[in-house]
Amino acid sequence: DQQVKQNSPSLSVQEGRISILNCDYTNSMFDYFLWYKKYPAEGPTFLISISSIKDKNEDGRFTVFLNKSAKHLSLHIVPSQPGDSAVYFCAANVYGTASKLTFGTGTRLQVTL
Amino acid sequence: NAGVTQTPKFRILKIGQSMTLQCTQDMNHNYMYWYRQDPGMGLKLIYYSVGAGITDKGEVPNGYNVSRSTTEDFPLRLELAAPSQTSVYFCATRQGANYGYTFGSGTRLTVV
Repeated sequence: DQQVKQNSPSLSVQEGRISILNCDYTNSMFDYFLWYKKYPAEGPTFLISISSIKDKNEDGRFTVFLNKSAKHLSLHIVPSQPGDSAVYFCAANVYGTASKLTFGTGTRLQVTL
Repeated sequence: NAGVTQTPKFRILKIGQSMTLQCTQDMNHNYMYWYRQDPGMGLKLIYYSVGAGITDKGEVPNGYNVSRSTTEDFPLRLELAAPSQTSVYFCATRQGANYGYTFGSGTRLTVV
């Protein structure tokens, strides 16, 4: 049972344009959501997060939107840069469960020149 | 500041062999986790620990064991390696509920 789903395995975007990565979840108990970025041969690195009490969080070029009624979140990267090319994982946790994260399968973003 | 250190980075095992994947952190975080990532898949939780002396199973614990004798170290043991355990293994720590994980750089394990 895949509780966190990233239905797009890959995405290609031109440099300078907006990248939108999507994530859906099924567990209504999730209360905290995170995005991770992963380069080849490295561990994932934390990018941005959002609590379920908010619907938007911004950090520089990165914005995460949360739509609880649709159980959907998205990561917007504006403007996209070649260095953003990586695999992006969406993750979620339930409060009080030892902070265990459930991860999606990832979306590979390629930013082209 | 090393963060989370995993050793070895690569390993090839024969079926039935055993090995220990090492994970050490210097951030004094209580929470530690072991995940595996199979090709094209997300990260699956193997085991986790909320503090020294406390461990618990995650989603895919079969074939693995862990121990947590100190805050810093959280080794993962494979007793009888099987081809299904071919994967990339990541160790991670977390400061608390509303913080992100800090991951190690991973161990790529191949069982032949």
